[in-house]
Amino acid sequence: GEEVAQTPKHLVRGEGQKAKLYCAPIKGHSYVFWYQQVLKNEFKFLISFQNENVFDETGMPKERFSAKCLPNSPCSLEIQATKLEDSAVYFCASSTGRIAINEQFFGPGTRLTVL
Amino acid sequence: AQSVTQPDIHITVSEGASLELRCNYSYGATPYLFWYVQSPGQGLQLLLKYFSGDTLVQGIKGFEAEFKRSQSSFNLRKPSVHWSDAAEYFCAVGARTGANNLFFGTGTRLTVIP
Repeated sequence: GEEVAQTPKHLVRGEGQKAKLYCAPIKGHSYVFWYQQVLKNEFKFLISFQNENVFDETGMPKERFSAKCLPNSPCSLEIQATKLEDSAVYFCASSTGRIAINEQFFGPGTRLTVL
Repeated sequence: AQSVTQPDIHITVSEGASLELRCNYSYGATPYLFWYVQSPGQGLQLLLKYFSGDTLVQGIKGFEAEFKRSQSSFNLRKPSVHWSDAAEYFCAVGARTGANNLFFGTGTRLTVIP
């Protein structure tokens, strides 16, 4: 598609429940990025993929967060045993190239609320 | 470590007035520089970017930004603001080599009054 698609738009989970977010990058884009926007403004990089391979996961909390980008499937970000502090908007972006010179196109985000 | 500072949390301007949003960065070398806009409930839209060359870059929606190496700044400007410009604006930097994720400032919320 011509836009990055993210589902669901909103997700509400009780503390300790699992949350799974999905991202379909723009067709032809081989790089996918996940960002977490907390406290309304602060963006934190989580992980990036080159096709189905993890490219950079330096921002991922290792214990409860995992992500995948499998061929012919939307990419996913999964949070096991959610905590209150995981409440945030999660943005997915895609681009055609590896370094930052290639524009990252952002999806509309998934708002996760952990109660 | 890289950092991006947007000193103004919230700015209010009258419609038709000029606008300048400040952005300062701390980086080992000159990074790639970006301005994004986020409308309520929306994702980020790229306004403009600086990679090299002319330090005054033009973007969409009538925005421009000037890279000043000596001040480590990349301020966003618009000569005449429209009510539809009300949104959150984020400055971001990206590395020229290595990791390709973006580092964002904390944003400036722009309110436009009639």
